[in-house]
Amino acid sequence: DGGITQSPKYLFRKEGQNVTLSCEQNLNHDAMYWYRQDPGQGLRLIYYSQIVNDFQKGDIAEGYSVSREKKESFPLTVTSAQKNPTAFYLCATKPSQGAQETQYFGPGTRLLVL
Amino acid sequence: RKEVEQDPGPFNVPEGATVAFNCTYSNSASQSFFWYRQDCRKEPKLLMSVYSSGNEDGRFTAQLNRASQYISLLIRDSKLSDSATYLCVVNIGSGSWGKLQFGAGTQVVVTP
Repeated sequence: DGGITQSPKYLFRKEGQNVTLSCEQNLNHDAMYWYRQDPGQGLRLIYYSQIVNDFQKGDIAEGYSVSREKKESFPLTVTSAQKNPTAFYLCATKPSQGAQETQYFGPGTRLLVL
Repeated sequence: RKEVEQDPGPFNVPEGATVAFNCTYSNSASQSFFWYRQDCRKEPKLLMSVYSSGNEDGRFTAQLNRASQYISLLIRDSKLSDSATYLCVVNIGSGSWGKLQFGAGTQVVVTP
């Protein structure tokens, strides 16, 4: 079964703890993205990567870090510097360049702070 | 001002009725437009792209008005399964990769 997988589905973070959210895709898509969704707000872009070993900050990158060592994988680390991490985190992919192409989402990870 | 604005609703629609709602965007250079559907506590899923000439997919019709900078979605013969939040998405970036800007969504509740 192909697609985008995110794990875990739910994640609990203690104060001062770093946690890493996994995103894997077997669609052979070039670009990968991380968003967070908060109630009543649109998705906000955290980081994105268009090719392996390269990534760019999005609109709300502070307190987050990413890596793109493999085309298939784009993990997101929520560091202790992120003071309000409780949100729904969504990973997305895009096949290639092209303004008409849109993005496809994984099932998401809900992060809760204990 | 938000780049993409939507009426949050909820739009309460009797089963079988028609519902329509709009989304406005502020960047006149926007290149492409999409409607996504998001069920409660699930990921957004692409419903349809929106083309300049307007397009239809079954019971769903999308329209783009560049002059007034809005897109619309119309749902005919509403089904209970159409209950969801509909996200308006606009590609506002320059260059071929672009950047997607998401509205906060319009909630539709179809009632029996």
